[in-house]
Amino acid sequence: DAGVIQSPRHEVTEMGQEVTLRCKPISGHNSLFWYRQTMMRGLELLIYFNNNVPIDDSGMPEDRFSAKMPNASFSTLKIQPSEPRDSAVYFCASRQQAQGAFFGQGTRLTVV
Amino acid sequence: AQSVTQLDSQVPVFEEAPVELRCNYSSSVSVYLFWYVQYPNQGLQLLLKYLSGSTLVKGINGFEAEFNKSQTSFHLRKPSVHISDTAEYFCAVSRVQGAQKLVFGQGTRLTINP
Repeated sequence: DAGVIQSPRHEVTEMGQEVTLRCKPISGHNSLFWYRQTMMRGLELLIYFNNNVPIDDSGMPEDRFSAKMPNASFSTLKIQPSEPRDSAVYFCASRQQAQGAFFGQGTRLTVV
Repeated sequence: AQSVTQLDSQVPVFEEAPVELRCNYSSSVSVYLFWYVQYPNQGLQLLLKYLSGSTLVKGINGFEAEFNKSQTSFHLRKPSVHISDTAEYFCAVSRVQGAQKLVFGQGTRLTINP
């Protein structure tokens, strides 16, 4: 398996623009997580899905953030409109019950 | 709810010296425990995990960790570190039953000096 695949690896966008981050989890994993990592706040869980259903989105900072998982092999995290304080590395991870989560390489987002 | 405290934000050690990175957790239910490593500009990589059974768990790159239920700790150890072990290390916890989310500590930056 190629592991968790995220795209793009880097994204630079202007404030106010829409940003869409994509994730392909490992086949067979039933949980998917979106994390955000910054120097100030460390690793924050934004939202997680179980069997494609959002279970806990309490970490989503604002209504500008939304996430979807239309099927077991694809998820998106969207920010609309983006702001400079959204600049961070966004990680997607997937997990099978009772196992560790596997992380993608991350998307480094810069909003200017 | 579960929480994780990594007691040291930074740990500097000399090459070939032993190291221990400390992790304490809080939970009212049974948990799984994990250690992850993050090298610069990379994602997190699973080092080792405790699910059940033996409290001493061995992982990749010569690391091991010991689960201590009475002290609610899961400290990571390596008897002799190498320059290549320089990285950020994260301890994480999840419930055995119910919600599958992983809760992470704030991380410990391990710096190996020659």
